[in-house]
Amino acid sequence: QVQLVQSGAEVKKPGSSVKVSCKASRGTFSTYAISWVRQAPGQGLEWMGAIVPIFGSAHYAQTFQGRVTISADESTSTAYMELSSLRSEDTAVYYCARGHNSLISTYFDSWGQGTLVTVFS
Amino acid sequence: EIVLTQSPGTLSLSPGERVTLSCRASQSVSNNYLAWYQQKAGQAPRLLISGTSTRATGIPDRFSGSGSGTDFTLTISRLEPEDFAVYYCQQYGGSPPVTFGQGTRLENK
Repeated sequence: QVQLVQSGAEVKKPGSSVKVSCKASRGTFSTYAISWVRQAPGQGLEWMGAIVPIFGSAHYAQTFQGRVTISADESTSTAYMELSSLRSEDTAVYYCARGHNSLISTYFDSWGQGTLVTVFS
Repeated sequence: EIVLTQSPGTLSLSPGERVTLSCRASQSVSNNYLAWYQQKAGQAPRLLISGTSTRATGIPDRFSGSGSGTDFTLTISRLEPEDFAVYYCQQYGGSPPVTFGQGTRLENK
């Protein structure tokens, strides 16, 4: 079973950017979709976008189009999510999750531990 | 966009009881591509069910999923103390690629 380990908590100012990493181990990385899902405090799950590392191109939810960039480095089995123009409403736990296959539209059988991003002036 | 509505928002039950959680889609979910997750406080979600009714590896058989089209359910036949958590449904057959329900919280009465 793949293990996904995310980078640590971040505190950012409004208007800045944050980049969160997600390193995979003990499993195949390149041929499975990696999605990013966020969860605001006390709220539900919100899909942000996904990438299949071997294909390279990312797909984004309309809500985040233009503000999020998802990338992957096959050599280190690491995916990244960068969110720009941060505002207080972006305060959330950000999860990476591995899809069950190489489709963008899939379910998630492995999750990272989550990264808390706090946007605070 | 396919909107998933879960009901009820919160349920208060006791161990040993049977519970059925509902997930209704705003339009038909292609191929019944519907998954369920369990999330405990401070933890990442855990996959329970995919494809409407297929249990994930290691998930006890007291969890079962059913449904088709726009109406789906997750049933826990006999609640164990560790089952009190928040449950989310997710569709992966439509557009945008993935959407989640808002969750149902299962509380210990």
